[in-house]
Amino acid sequence: EPEVTQTPSHQVTQMGQEVILRCVPISNHLYFYWYRQILGQKVEFLVSFYNNEISEKSEIFDDQFSVERPDGSNFTLKIRSTKLEDSAMYFCASSPRTGYKDTQYFGPGTRLTVL
Amino acid sequence: KQEVTQIPAALSVPEGENLVLNCSFTDSAIYNLQWFRQDPGKGLTSLLLIQSSQREQTSGRLNASLDKSSGRSTLYIAASQPGDSATYLCAVLIQGAQKLVFGQGTRLTINP
Repeated sequence: EPEVTQTPSHQVTQMGQEVILRCVPISNHLYFYWYRQILGQKVEFLVSFYNNEISEKSEIFDDQFSVERPDGSNFTLKIRSTKLEDSAMYFCASSPRTGYKDTQYFGPGTRLTVL
Repeated sequence: KQEVTQIPAALSVPEGENLVLNCSFTDSAIYNLQWFRQDPGKGLTSLLLIQSSQREQTSGRLNASLDKSSGRSTLYIAASQPGDSATYLCAVLIQGAQKLVFGQGTRLTINP
């Protein structure tokens, strides 16, 4: 069964450094998402992406964050200058069509630790 | 603003029991509701999706119901097994948006 994959599984970085989290959505899906989960807290929506542009973003998704689909398979989340509070599990998800009828399929996550 | 709450926060039961997990949401303007399973340090596995027009969905030993007007959903697990131990999350897809809003989860422990 097709799966969403994410790399790396764990990323450790120093405060102020740039990180890029990578995702490979399911191949025929058109909608892509990033969520994050700070330890012990709820899963929070960051951004949705369709047709090579952001379709919705949360208040968390400020100018330090960006997303890109650099080729036909990868979907990336970049954090330009990491802060301690960016430490979290970051989940990528995809869905085949607009999500209202379709399950969002989640990847295994990337644990980001900012020191 | 949509808020999703799950009760209880944690539940520990002996193997073989039937159990119910609860989810409530404040705004009934939703497209669908999903139940997920999360194992420690792992990703989210979708268990069931209920469209806003549906009342329930079943998959194996799992049955989820939805009462949109009262803002409630339940996940019923029959004949629980130790392998069911995990955190169960519910999430609603709000109308006019593509984002899921999650509850904080119920941590379930099934004791052999």
